[in-house]
Amino acid sequence: EVQLVESGGGLVKPGGSLRLSCAASGFTSSTYGMNWVRQAPGKGLEWVSSISSSSYIYYADSVKGRFAISRDNAKNSLYLQMNSLGAEDTAVYYCARITLKGYMDVWGKGTTVTVSS
Amino acid sequence: DTVLTQSPGTLSLSPGESATLSCRASQSVNSGYLAWYQQNPGQAPRLLIYGATSRATGIPDRFSGSGSGTDFTLTINRLEPEDFAVYYCQQYGNSPITFGQGTRLEIK
Repeated sequence: EVQLVESGGGLVKPGGSLRLSCAASGFTSSTYGMNWVRQAPGKGLEWVSSISSSSYIYYADSVKGRFAISRDNAKNSLYLQMNSLGAEDTAVYYCARITLKGYMDVWGKGTTVTVSS
Repeated sequence: DTVLTQSPGTLSLSPGESATLSCRASQSVNSGYLAWYQQNPGQAPRLLIYGATSRATGIPDRFSGSGSGTDFTLTINRLEPEDFAVYYCQQYGNSPITFGQGTRLEIK
């Protein structure tokens, strides 16, 4: 079964850091592009970052310079290093698989990040 | 950035009726690269439609997508109780990818 499982969320103080992980199973994640998408409480979906199968990397302006996406092909995993966190980063963070045509066909259940003092 | 505006914000209908959800883009979406997702409370989004008109695997034919350029529509026929959820459109033809703000489909 194709599956994505996120982990690493939690409560962090403003200015702090957190590293999210996304473990893929049932497929080889290195052959796909992968996205991080977040959803603030009661709000809509917001794209955060992408990494292509060729490891080209893209960020939303709201996180550029603070977040870093990476992947470990040997572990079939995706990561999101988040630094200088603020209250505006409080959200459920989803990882999602990008098909060759560019849409997201598989999503994880998400991991919750809360930034609060 | 390509802004996607969904309407209505909330749609109140009864089971068995048909729903028409709109997604309008601020600029033409390249190659009709528009997707629709369904999200139930506390759950991850689920892909319904990609390429504006193609149903994802396992999606019933009650769901259909149409449109091109800047105007797109998701139609749901013969509403079932499990269809009442929030629906998002998303474009992946222009960089950066963007989502609409969502339409909530609620039971009347």
